[in-house]
Amino acid sequence: DVKVTQSSRYLVKRTGEKVFLECVQDMDHENMFWYRQDPGLGLRLIYFSYDVKMKEKGDIPEGYSVSREKKERFSLILESASTNQTSMYLCASSLRQGKGYFGPGTRLTVT
Amino acid sequence: AQRVTQPEKLLSVFKGAPVELKCNYSYSGSPELFWYVQYSRQRLQLLLRHISRESIKGFTADLNKGETSFHLKKPFAQEEDSAMYYCALSVNNQGGKLIFGQGTELSVKP
Repeated sequence: DVKVTQSSRYLVKRTGEKVFLECVQDMDHENMFWYRQDPGLGLRLIYFSYDVKMKEKGDIPEGYSVSREKKERFSLILESASTNQTSMYLCASSLRQGKGYFGPGTRLTVT
Repeated sequence: AQRVTQPEKLLSVFKGAPVELKCNYSYSGSPELFWYVQYSRQRLQLLLRHISRESIKGFTADLNKGETSFHLKKPFAQEEDSAMYYCALSVNNQGGKLIFGQGTELSVKP
């Protein structure tokens, strides 16, 4: 079974803090993704990585950056957290042009 | 631009009634489409993909390229089908980037 794990299930941060969300997959997948999940808005792609050190902006990259130094790990960074970044963050991985496997999600609250 | 649209935010039916969750897509290439489901307090998981042409938990979906649709259907809804359903498109000419629709919440009443 493919395992996609995320470092935290729940996170509470203050406005202006730098926040790191970590995602690890164990199936040697080329692709990794970070999404935000908000009611009524569905899953919106923040960033997509198709290889180590390679990244592509999604639909809503503003206020976020990513890092992929190793194939199995994809980090999402909020440089200066703001209250409008309070959301559920989902990580996923896939083979090139394959189905996506999702992590359990991190519910981030920024106060 | 690639886009996936699910026009219904909420669909409420009675147990035993037929269900159809709508999905339309916009993509100039050859589409690869998926339906994902998220049950309460569980992670998002794949329900079915169009290239498999399979039926999972009684659900089927047919790709209609003329209407650019991939609607999800089930003839007789069950209470355990209540969940969030997301339609997704794999953008194959961009390395398999996955784009999702807004989601439809299915509520099956007893």
